[in-house]
Amino acid sequence: SQTIHQWPATLVQPVGSPLSLECTVEGTSNPNLYWYRQAAGRGLQLLFYSVGIGQISSEVPQNLSASRPQDRQFILSSKKLLLSDSGFYLCALSPEGGVLTFGAGSRLTVL
Amino acid sequence: KNQVEQSPQSLIILEGKNCTLQCNYTVSPFSNLRWYKQDTGRGPVSLTIMTFSENTKSNGRYTATLDADTKQSSLHITASQLSDSASYICVVSAFKRGNNRLAFGKGNQVVVIP
Repeated sequence: SQTIHQWPATLVQPVGSPLSLECTVEGTSNPNLYWYRQAAGRGLQLLFYSVGIGQISSEVPQNLSASRPQDRQFILSSKKLLLSDSGFYLCALSPEGGVLTFGAGSRLTVL
Repeated sequence: KNQVEQSPQSLIILEGKNCTLQCNYTVSPFSNLRWYKQDTGRGPVSLTIMTFSENTKSNGRYTATLDADTKQSSLHITASQLSDSASYICVVSAFKRGNNRLAFGKGNQVVVIP
């Protein structure tokens, strides 16, 4: 079965510091991978999606970036965090556009 | 304007009672509609997925309905339990030019009290 691992689960970072959130998947090959952000009281916002190694599409311009160095690894990064980057970040996968499976999420607080 | 609107935004129900959550969408062309349950601090988990031709689908005490003509869906929770306290998210998929695009509702926040 497909599983998604996200880490860290929670993170508190000062403004201006770098960020790296990791997501790895198991039980599937060549999945579509997604990064979503969920702010309090708001719906899920798609940040990035990837259909394969090195292929990243950005949905929202911002100071975040994503990379997919391996088929089952998806990384969300920032060189300098902003207060507005605080939120709940969810990694998700779908096998060839099928039903989304979400990870447990990473809670980021920028102070 | 959000393409997926959910109501009520939040509700409190007594344990053992039923409740119905609504999802209205304007997404086109419609591909499928999914309901997810998201416990606090966790990732969403899929409850049901419905395509254009399906009117009703059940998953235990959860029953989803779909009216593709009026572009409405509902999620009915029967005999609610404390563990049903969660956010329920309606996600509508549109398939356009070979791409599957998803539109998310903001969720229905359900609190079940004893």
